[in-house]
Amino acid sequence: GAVVSQHPSRVICKSGTSVKIECRSLDFQATTMFWYRQFPKQSLMLMATSNEGSKATYEQGVEKDKFLINHASLTLSTLTVTSAHPEDSSFYICSARGLVQGRPEAFFGQGTRLTVV
Amino acid sequence: RKEVEQDPGPFNVPEGATVAFNCTYSNSASQSFFWYRQDCRKEPKLLMSVYSSGNEDGRFTAQLNRASQYISLLIRDSKLSDSATYLCVVNLGAGSYQLTFGKGTKLSVIP
Repeated sequence: GAVVSQHPSRVICKSGTSVKIECRSLDFQATTMFWYRQFPKQSLMLMATSNEGSKATYEQGVEKDKFLINHASLTLSTLTVTSAHPEDSSFYICSARGLVQGRPEAFFGQGTRLTVV
Repeated sequence: RKEVEQDPGPFNVPEGATVAFNCTYSNSASQSFFWYRQDCRKEPKLLMSVYSSGNEDGRFTAQLNRASQYISLLIRDSKLSDSATYLCVVNLGAGSYQLTFGKGTKLSVIP
């Protein structure tokens, strides 16, 4: 069945390094991908929206040069946190939207817990 | 005013109790409404959609009041496994899949 696979589920990196998070749609084509961030005891906050083959649209306050999003194919989107700092430590979740059996559906990835030390 | 507001709780209820959560939204143009469940900082999972006429799924009942711009979730006969954070989610619709999440209401069902 249609699912979204997100990797890695957990990553620890040193301050100043970059981290790439992958989100793959399985058994359906993700025409739109949303990237969310969730800090402890906070709601999911939308970071950016990307459509396949187009540049991502970033929410206010989200630095596009820091959070690089690539959505080059209908089944894969990546989020790269560049020059990560401890304040970037958070739970990142992707959400893929597309047609499944002709109906619009939305699925979440399992999330990536990023810790920057 | 925040776009989607929920009482963060926590709601601590005994097994078998009935508990209700409310959620208010600020954008009157919102078209779709959902309740999601999130466990232990895992990804949110759709619990149920909320329809204008109200809808029920087993022990869960969701209702929408467009005039007052709030939605509710009622859980009857609470189980230990219902312990989770319940997220109120709103979609503007009109071809947009963008979801706006509330902070969530934490529920703990106690033996």
